Amino acid sequence: KQEVTQIPAALSVPEGENLVLNCSFTDSAIYNLQWFRQDPGKGLTSLLLIQSSQREQTSGRLNASLDKSSGRSTLYIAASQPGDSATYLCAVRPGAGNNRKLIWGLGTSLAVNP
Amino acid sequence: GAGVSQTPSNKVTEKGKYVELRCDPISGHTALYWYRQSLGQGPEFLIYFQGTGAADDSGLPNDRFFAVRPEGSVSTLKIQRTERGDSAVYLCASSLGRGVTGELFFGEGSRLTVL
Repeated sequence: KQEVTQIPAALSVPEGENLVLNCSFTDSAIYNLQWFRQDPGKGLTSLLLIQSSQREQTSGRLNASLDKSSGRSTLYIAASQPGDSATYLCAVRPGAGNNRKLIWGLGTSLAVNP
Repeated sequence: GAGVSQTPSNKVTEKGKYVELRCDPISGHTALYWYRQSLGQGPEFLIYFQGTGAADDSGLPNDRFFAVRPEGSVSTLKIQRTERGDSAVYLCASSLGRGVTGELFFGEGSRLTVL
Protein backbone atom coordinates (compact mmCIF):
# COMPACT_ATOMS: atom_id res chain seq x y z
CA LYS A 1 0.00 0.00 0.00
CA GLN A 2 1.42 3.36 -1.05
CA GLU A 3 2.09 5.78 1.79
CA VAL A 4 3.41 9.32 1.49
CA THR A 5 5.28 11.07 4.27
CA GLN A 6 6.41 14.67 4.45
CA ILE A 7 9.15 15.88 6.73
CA PRO A 8 9.32 18.22 8.52
CA ALA A 9 5.70 18.84 9.49
CA ALA A 10 6.50 22.47 10.15
CA LEU A 11 9.39 24.76 9.32
CA SER A 12 10.17 28.34 10.28
CA VAL A 13 13.00 30.18 8.56
CA PRO A 14 14.22 33.76 8.16
CA GLU A 15 13.66 35.48 4.87
CA GLY A 16 16.31 34.81 2.24
CA GLU A 17 17.19 31.26 3.23
CA ASN A 18 17.30 28.43 0.75
CA LEU A 19 15.29 25.49 2.03
CA VAL A 20 14.36 21.92 1.20
CA LEU A 21 11.07 20.17 1.83
CA ASN A 22 11.02 16.39 1.76
CA CYS A 23 8.48 13.90 0.49
CA SER A 24 8.95 10.15 0.68
CA PHE A 25 6.80 7.35 -0.69
CA THR A 26 6.85 3.63 -0.02
CA ASP A 27 6.11 2.20 -3.48
CA SER A 28 8.37 3.29 -6.33
CA ALA A 29 5.80 2.30 -8.97
CA ILE A 30 4.41 5.78 -9.51
CA TYR A 31 2.97 7.52 -12.56
CA ASN A 32 3.88 11.01 -11.42
CA LEU A 33 4.34 13.20 -8.36
CA GLN A 34 2.88 16.64 -7.90
CA TRP A 35 3.75 19.41 -5.44
CA PHE A 36 1.02 21.77 -4.31
CA ARG A 37 0.82 24.90 -2.21
CA GLN A 38 -2.12 25.64 0.06
CA ASP A 39 -2.73 28.97 1.76
CA PRO A 40 -4.93 29.02 4.89
CA GLY A 41 -8.58 28.60 3.99
CA LYS A 42 -7.78 28.29 0.31
CA GLY A 43 -7.65 25.61 -2.34
CA LEU A 44 -4.58 23.88 -3.71
CA THR A 45 -2.28 25.50 -6.23
CA SER A 46 -0.23 23.20 -8.42
CA LEU A 47 3.47 24.08 -8.26
CA LEU A 48 5.32 21.37 -10.12
CA LEU A 49 4.49 18.02 -11.68
CA ILE A 50 7.22 15.42 -12.22
CA GLN A 51 6.51 12.46 -14.45
CA SER A 52 7.99 9.11 -13.43
CA SER A 53 10.53 9.32 -16.27
CA GLN A 54 11.80 12.73 -15.17
CA ARG A 55 14.40 13.60 -12.54
CA GLU A 56 13.48 17.21 -11.85
CA GLN A 57 11.31 20.16 -12.77
CA THR A 58 11.97 23.85 -12.24
CA SER A 59 9.71 26.86 -12.03
CA GLY A 60 11.21 30.16 -10.99
CA ARG A 61 12.68 29.81 -7.50
CA LEU A 62 11.27 26.32 -7.14
CA ASN A 63 12.99 23.08 -8.10
CA ALA A 64 11.53 19.65 -7.50
CA SER A 65 13.54 16.47 -7.83
CA LEU A 66 12.43 12.87 -8.03
CA ASP A 67 14.37 9.73 -7.14
CA LYS A 68 11.98 6.85 -7.69
CA SER A 69 14.37 4.12 -6.63
CA SER A 70 14.78 5.63 -3.17
CA GLY A 71 11.17 6.77 -2.98
CA ARG A 72 11.97 10.43 -2.49
CA SER A 73 11.15 13.84 -3.84
CA THR A 74 12.44 17.17 -2.64
CA LEU A 75 11.12 20.66 -3.20
CA TYR A 76 13.87 23.24 -3.12
CA ILE A 77 12.89 26.87 -2.57
CA ALA A 78 15.60 29.42 -3.28
CA ALA A 79 15.85 32.79 -1.56
CA SER A 80 12.68 32.31 0.45
CA GLN A 81 10.25 35.21 0.89
CA PRO A 82 7.45 35.87 3.41
CA GLY A 83 4.98 35.29 0.58
CA ASP A 84 6.18 31.69 0.40
CA SER A 85 4.55 31.03 3.77
CA ALA A 86 1.96 28.31 3.21
CA THR A 87 1.47 24.57 3.53
CA TYR A 88 3.22 22.51 0.88
CA LEU A 89 1.74 19.13 -0.02
CA CYS A 90 3.07 16.39 -2.24
CA ALA A 91 0.83 13.84 -3.89
CA VAL A 92 1.73 10.65 -5.72
CA ARG A 93 -0.27 9.12 -8.52
CA PRO A 94 0.23 5.34 -8.36
CA GLY A 95 1.47 3.76 -11.57
CA ALA A 96 -0.55 0.58 -11.47
CA GLY A 97 -4.12 -0.42 -10.91
CA ASN A 98 -6.52 2.38 -10.17
CA ASN A 99 -4.25 5.30 -10.88
CA ARG A 100 -6.82 8.01 -10.41
CA LYS A 101 -6.52 8.39 -6.68
CA LEU A 102 -3.69 10.61 -5.61
CA ILE A 103 -1.99 9.53 -2.41
CA TRP A 104 -1.25 12.58 -0.28
CA GLY A 105 1.23 13.55 2.37
CA LEU A 106 0.05 15.62 5.32
CA GLY A 107 2.09 18.61 4.22
CA THR A 108 4.84 20.84 5.54
CA SER A 109 3.70 24.11 7.07
CA LEU A 110 6.26 26.76 6.12
CA ALA A 111 6.66 30.14 7.79
CA VAL A 112 9.15 32.58 6.28
CA ASN A 113 9.82 35.40 8.71
CA PRO A 114 10.72 38.90 7.51
CA GLY B 1 -13.13 29.35 -17.66
CA ALA B 2 -9.60 30.25 -16.67
CA GLY B 3 -9.63 28.06 -13.58
CA VAL B 4 -11.75 25.62 -11.63
CA SER B 5 -14.68 27.45 -10.10
CA GLN B 6 -16.58 26.20 -7.05
CA THR B 7 -19.76 27.53 -5.52
CA PRO B 8 -20.71 28.30 -2.86
CA SER B 9 -17.42 29.19 -1.23
CA ASN B 10 -19.04 28.81 2.18
CA LYS B 11 -22.15 26.93 3.21
CA VAL B 12 -23.57 26.70 6.72
CA THR B 13 -26.45 24.31 7.19
CA GLU B 14 -28.28 22.47 9.91
CA LYS B 15 -27.98 18.80 10.63
CA GLY B 16 -30.36 16.79 8.47
CA LYS B 17 -30.55 19.27 5.61
CA TYR B 18 -29.74 18.67 1.94
CA VAL B 19 -26.75 20.41 0.35
CA GLU B 20 -25.52 20.82 -3.22
CA LEU B 21 -22.00 21.92 -4.11
CA ARG B 22 -21.13 22.92 -7.63
CA CYS B 23 -17.90 22.63 -9.61
CA ASP B 24 -17.17 24.20 -12.98
CA PRO B 25 -13.93 22.68 -14.34
CA ILE B 26 -11.39 24.19 -16.68
CA SER B 27 -12.79 24.28 -20.19
CA GLY B 28 -11.79 21.19 -22.14
CA HIS B 29 -10.84 19.11 -19.10
CA THR B 30 -12.55 15.76 -19.34
CA ALA B 31 -11.49 14.43 -15.94
CA LEU B 32 -13.08 15.83 -12.79
CA TYR B 33 -12.39 14.87 -9.19
CA TRP B 34 -14.04 15.59 -5.87
CA TYR B 35 -12.00 15.53 -2.68
CA ARG B 36 -12.73 16.67 0.82
CA GLN B 37 -10.27 17.99 3.33
CA SER B 38 -10.57 18.25 7.08
CA LEU B 39 -8.42 20.59 9.13
CA GLY B 40 -4.82 19.46 9.27
CA GLN B 41 -5.37 16.57 6.92
CA GLY B 42 -4.53 15.88 3.32
CA PRO B 43 -7.32 15.72 0.75
CA GLU B 44 -9.49 12.60 0.82
CA PHE B 45 -10.62 11.22 -2.53
CA LEU B 46 -14.37 11.00 -3.06
CA ILE B 47 -15.18 10.44 -6.73
CA TYR B 48 -13.68 10.72 -10.20
CA PHE B 49 -15.49 11.42 -13.48
CA GLN B 50 -14.19 10.78 -16.96
CA GLY B 51 -16.62 12.66 -19.16
CA THR B 52 -20.17 12.14 -17.95
CA GLY B 53 -19.61 8.87 -16.14
CA ALA B 54 -18.35 8.23 -12.63
CA ALA B 55 -15.28 6.11 -13.31
CA ASP B 56 -14.51 5.62 -9.63
CA ASP B 57 -16.86 6.46 -6.77
CA SER B 58 -15.16 4.28 -4.20
CA GLY B 59 -14.31 7.24 -2.00
CA LEU B 60 -17.88 8.30 -1.31
CA PRO B 61 -18.30 7.61 2.42
CA ASN B 62 -21.90 6.37 2.27
CA ASP B 63 -25.11 6.56 0.25
CA ARG B 64 -25.91 10.04 1.52
CA PHE B 65 -23.30 11.31 -0.92
CA PHE B 66 -23.93 11.44 -4.64
CA ALA B 67 -22.38 13.33 -7.54
CA VAL B 68 -23.41 13.97 -11.12
CA ARG B 69 -21.88 15.41 -14.24
CA PRO B 70 -24.69 15.17 -16.78
CA GLU B 71 -23.06 17.01 -19.69
CA GLY B 72 -19.44 16.19 -19.01
CA SER B 73 -18.62 19.65 -17.74
CA VAL B 74 -20.18 21.06 -14.55
CA SER B 75 -20.49 18.63 -11.66
CA THR B 76 -22.69 18.76 -8.58
CA LEU B 77 -21.91 16.98 -5.32
CA LYS B 78 -25.08 16.26 -3.38
CA ILE B 79 -25.21 15.44 0.30
CA GLN B 80 -28.45 14.27 1.88
CA ARG B 81 -29.35 14.35 5.58
CA THR B 82 -26.15 16.16 6.46
CA GLU B 83 -24.34 15.24 9.65
CA ARG B 84 -21.87 17.27 11.72
CA GLY B 85 -19.10 14.93 10.57
CA ASP B 86 -19.66 16.08 6.99
CA SER B 87 -18.17 19.45 7.88
CA ALA B 88 -15.06 19.92 5.76
CA VAL B 89 -13.73 21.77 2.73
CA TYR B 90 -14.93 20.07 -0.44
CA LEU B 91 -12.39 20.46 -3.22
CA CYS B 92 -12.93 19.95 -6.92
CA ALA B 93 -10.13 19.38 -9.41
CA SER B 94 -9.94 18.83 -13.13
CA SER B 95 -7.34 17.55 -15.56
CA LEU B 96 -7.09 16.98 -19.26
CA GLY B 97 -7.81 13.31 -18.70
CA ARG B 98 -6.22 9.95 -19.28
CA GLY B 99 -3.21 9.66 -21.47
CA VAL B 100 -1.96 13.19 -20.80
CA THR B 101 0.27 14.51 -18.02
CA GLY B 102 -2.40 14.05 -15.41
CA GLU B 103 -1.71 17.39 -13.72
CA LEU B 104 -4.58 18.31 -11.44
CA PHE B 105 -5.86 21.85 -11.06
CA PHE B 106 -7.94 22.58 -7.98
CA GLY B 107 -10.63 25.11 -7.21
CA GLU B 108 -10.75 27.21 -4.05
CA GLY B 109 -13.07 24.74 -2.37
CA SER B 110 -16.48 24.92 -0.74
CA ARG B 111 -16.34 25.08 3.04
CA LEU B 112 -19.30 23.18 4.49
CA THR B 113 -20.26 23.64 8.12
CA VAL B 114 -23.02 21.47 9.53
CA LEU B 115 -24.39 22.77 12.82
